[in-house]
Amino acid sequence: GAGVSQTPSNKVTEKGKYVELRCDPISGHTALYWYRQSLGQGPEFLIYFQGTGAADDSGLPNDRFFAVRPEGSVSTLKIQRTERGDSAVYLCASSLLAGGRNEQFFGPGTRLTVL
Amino acid sequence: GNSVTQMEGPVTLSEEAFLTINCTYTATGYPSLFWYVQYPGEGLQLLLKATKADDKGSNKGFEATYRKETTSFHLEKGSVQVSDSAVYFCALREAGSYQLTFGKGTKLSVIP
Repeated sequence: GAGVSQTPSNKVTEKGKYVELRCDPISGHTALYWYRQSLGQGPEFLIYFQGTGAADDSGLPNDRFFAVRPEGSVSTLKIQRTERGDSAVYLCASSLLAGGRNEQFFGPGTRLTVL
Repeated sequence: GNSVTQMEGPVTLSEEAFLTINCTYTATGYPSLFWYVQYPGEGLQLLLKATKADDKGSNKGFEATYRKETTSFHLEKGSVQVSDSAVYFCALREAGSYQLTFGKGTKLSVIP
């Protein structure tokens, strides 16, 4: 079956612009996660959805970052007024259910470059 | 807070060599421990995991043992192959949580 997909695979934008990154989880997975991976670092948690609601957004770095999942499936990570420091690979993962026994399956990521 | 420290890379080995990638962790509770692998051009994949002390996770010839006394989860493989070339991430998840905390990753290159 299809895995987690993310679009676009690469996004180049200019400082100050708005970007949207899309994640299509595995069909039937209720939990969805966003992580950010900066160069030379491991992924860092941003936000977690259970169904349509953001159950934990404590990892979002500031209010320029926002994510939605209106129908409990596809999610969009939105970044306003992008800064060069936002350049990173943004990873999406999904799991059948939330919680400790459910493996998170990762997508290939979107590489964001802010010039 | 939680943290994961893994050995710096890159690591270059000849085919059939023995592999160890060290990983130690700091956590407030009793976490589950994971090794993820990222092959070139692909997403992160779970390689193995262990959920309690003294558990051994294993997959594809790789092994790691959850050592609570040394807060470690070192990854080992007896004989690496060229196809094992990838970036390996150690990670933890606190009990009752869903956030994964990752190390910085170790790039492994296996040469014929």
